[in-house]
Amino acid sequence: QQQVKQSPQSLIVQKGGIPIINCAYENTAFDYFPWYQQFPGKGPALLIAIRPDVSEKKEGRFTISFNKSAKQFSLHIMDSQPGDSATYFCAATDSNYQLIWGAGTKLIIKP
Amino acid sequence: KAGVTQTPRYLIKTRGQQVTLSCSPISGHRSVSWYQQTPGQGLQFLFEYFSETQRNKGNFPGRFSGRQFSNSRSEMNVSTLELGDSALYLCASSGTSGRAEDTQYFGPGTRLTVL
Repeated sequence: QQQVKQSPQSLIVQKGGIPIINCAYENTAFDYFPWYQQFPGKGPALLIAIRPDVSEKKEGRFTISFNKSAKQFSLHIMDSQPGDSATYFCAATDSNYQLIWGAGTKLIIKP
Repeated sequence: KAGVTQTPRYLIKTRGQQVTLSCSPISGHRSVSWYQQTPGQGLQFLFEYFSETQRNKGNFPGRFSGRQFSNSRSEMNVSTLELGDSALYLCASSGTSGRAEDTQYFGPGTRLTVL
């Protein structure tokens, strides 16, 4: 119930392509869904976040799509660049304000 | 505004020893969370402190403990180190509302190697 399942584990995309990372959850009480981006040697940093009353949110080239009925949400990166190569984590908050993390997706954008 | 700082950045210990890691949050932040990150296990939540009280705890053995001081600085202690404790330990601080929507700001981590 408390898990957030993230896929794929790794992803290789050509520059300009649109990588898509998917997450699924079971707990309908989750009410906040952030995505974090982590570069090698650095801690994760917040990329974009969404609440379940919104179906889509865009910030620059990054878009979150949210399907409340399916309990799924995904991250799309438009016009991907080699600089987007990083590990991406989805997460969700529970009623105790604790972040429940997905396992991470290592994304490589090939030039 | 200074970011989250963690000390030391690198640490080498031997099995059976204990270790203390330190985290200084962003000024004004009251919540500090600790995570263990390993290549195979991703980010594993250890515990969270809010205003000197442990608010949440992950599924780690009692060898892992922490505390938070009145200035919000936090320490994490691991006793009787095991080889499997080798990992990157990340600290994150978050804001003033005490809610999870407060963005977590991560430090660079402490790389612990247990020999």
